[in-house]
Amino acid sequence: QVQLQESGPGLVKPSETLSIDCTVSGGSINSDYWNWVRQPPGKGLEWIGYMFYSGSTNYNPSLKSRVTISVDTSKTQFSLKLTSVTAADTAIYYCARARYSGGHYYFDYWGQGTLVTVSS
Amino acid sequence: DIQMTQSPSSLSASVGDRVTITCRASQSIGKYLNWYEQKPGKAPNLLIYAASSLLSGVPSRFSGSGSGTDFALTISSLQPGDFATYYCQQGYSAPYTFGQGTKLEIK
Repeated sequence: QVQLQESGPGLVKPSETLSIDCTVSGGSINSDYWNWVRQPPGKGLEWIGYMFYSGSTNYNPSLKSRVTISVDTSKTQFSLKLTSVTAADTAIYYCARARYSGGHYYFDYWGQGTLVTVSS
Repeated sequence: DIQMTQSPSSLSASVGDRVTITCRASQSIGKYLNWYEQKPGKAPNLLIYAASSLLSGVPSRFSGSGSGTDFALTISSLQPGDFATYYCQQGYSAPYTFGQGTKLEIK
């Protein structure tokens, strides 16, 4: 059973960089797609981007200029960095594994989520 | 980006009711449509992928249908644990987008 666990700062100041790690257990990070999805409090879900285990990435164009996703296979961990944050970036951040099978892309395992608040 | 629109945004129903939630894509996405259930304070949970394939372990009262631009999630007989928010998500092309959600409440 794959499990994902986010660890993040909780509070980030405006204009600074948000950094969150996701630790994967119960499975290999050397396959599949490793994603970040966020959800502002009380609102819907927004896909941020993924890193494929080989190192290729794909980011949501709405965030692309500020996002970096990286993988540390030795630690079975992947990370999100979001620069120049504003209050609009306040959200629950989820890490999630996605399967790409027969052309279908779906999120089958999720972390519990970590709330990041942007405030001075 | 492909826009996903769900209806209704909220729905009141009783235990035992049959309910249907619809999802419309802004362009044809074949059968590349997934459904998730999210309970308060929890992460989304995959129910159905490829429009109609039930994930192993998901009760058979859940079913999905549709292709192209119009899709539906049906719960044949609501159980107390089904009151949650449901999201559709297109897996056709990045950026992968979600519907705005349908909140299913107890009548």
